Order: sequence, then C-alpha cells, then structure tokens
Amino acid sequence: TQLLEQSPQFLSIQEGENLTVYCNSSSVFSSLQWYRQEPGEGPVLLVTVVTGGEVKKLKRLTFQFGDARKDSSLHITAAQPGDTGLYLCAGYNADSGGSNYKLTFGKGTLLTVNP
Amino acid sequence: DAGVIQSPRHEVTEMGQEVTLRCKPISGHNSLFWYRQTMMRGLELLIYFNNNVPIDDSGMPEDRFSAKMPNASFSTLKIQPSEPRDSAVYFCASSFRVTGKAFFGQGTRLTVV
Repeated sequence: TQLLEQSPQFLSIQEGENLTVYCNSSSVFSSLQWYRQEPGEGPVLLVTVVTGGEVKKLKRLTFQFGDARKDSSLHITAAQPGDTGLYLCAGYNADSGGSNYKLTFGKGTLLTVNP
Repeated sequence: DAGVIQSPRHEVTEMGQEVTLRCKPISGHNSLFWYRQTMMRGLELLIYFNNNVPIDDSGMPEDRFSAKMPNASFSTLKIQPSEPRDSAVYFCASSFRVTGKAFFGQGTRLTVV
C-alpha cells in the first residue's frame, strides 16, 4: 500500500504570513500532484511535478519534488484569505503489472488564512 | 467542455435502500476513478477503470458496493443495501491515463439515516 502522509493536518495563520506544508511517503512515484479543494467542491489540480528535485512556481505558491521522488512540499508566500482550503497531494504510479496507473491521495492539510 | 458531471448532488436515503450514483466523465478521457471522502479517512480510492474496464476494485469496502462503466461516457456506483456508515461525499474523476491529471466532479453527498 502506497501511503502519503501530509503535515500539518490543520494550519491556521494570519494574512501575510508564509507557510509550508509537507507530503511524505516511503514509495517512489512517477509524478506527484497537488490539488486544492474548497468546501462543497471537488479537488482542483494545481500542479504536477515529475522530475526529482523539480521546483515549480504558481504565483505565490512554490512546489518542490524531493530528489528521491518520495516527498514534496508546498510553500505559500504572503498567504491571503483566498488561499483557504484543503490542500491534497497525490502520488501517481503504476500497479504491479506496470500497465495501469492509479492516483493515491494523502489526507490533506486544511489551511485557514484569517484576514 | 462541462467537466465531470455527477448526479445527484445530494442524496438522503434510509438504511437498507439501494443508492445509485452517476458520473459522466470528460469526453476523451480514458480513465475513471470513484473516490469516497470522509473527515476520518480522507479521500479513498474505491475503484478505477481504464478504457471502461475495471482495473482495481480493492478499495471497494464490501460486496454491497458495485460499479459499472457500460460505455466511455457513463459510470455508476451502486450501494445495496445502504448503511449509515456509508454516509460520505462520493467523487468521480476522469483523466487521460498517460498524464494522470485528474478532473473531479462536484461530488455526491450521501446521507444514510
């Protein structure tokens, strides 16, 4: 079983602060994806990282894939209330047969940014 | 494209009743996933299909759960009989198998009383 552990589980900060959330696993993934989910909606893909050590930026969000492709981090600079939501990481990997892929999610970090 | 469409958005049913959740994936996508989300367990993969064929149903909790994908544009998840512990939000997602970038529907919030 490929497990993705996300930390912290909950995070409440003030507008303007910086934060980092983590996604860790003992498994190697072909790629790792980050999603954001708002109340009453389905998760929405933010970014996919594929190469070990890769860093991607999306405005104030910076995503990094670990060198060994087992872990990832999301850093938000100058958080805003609009960043509030559940941040989910998901690992994409082939099954034991190698021909079918599935997406496995962590439990997420619930971020609240207070004005 | 309208995105992944799920119906109904909300379902309240009595214990023991049959429940059928529906999903229309994005046209052209060849993978379809059913997930269940609860506070305790997060987003759990129940079953996924590639090219309409069920690949891995190891996440289906019990024989009371079944899923079908009769064609590329439609899938159902059925619970029979339903129990209160099945109460959760059920999501359907679709993707291109090669990229794995999943697009989710808005979910069906199921309450079994």
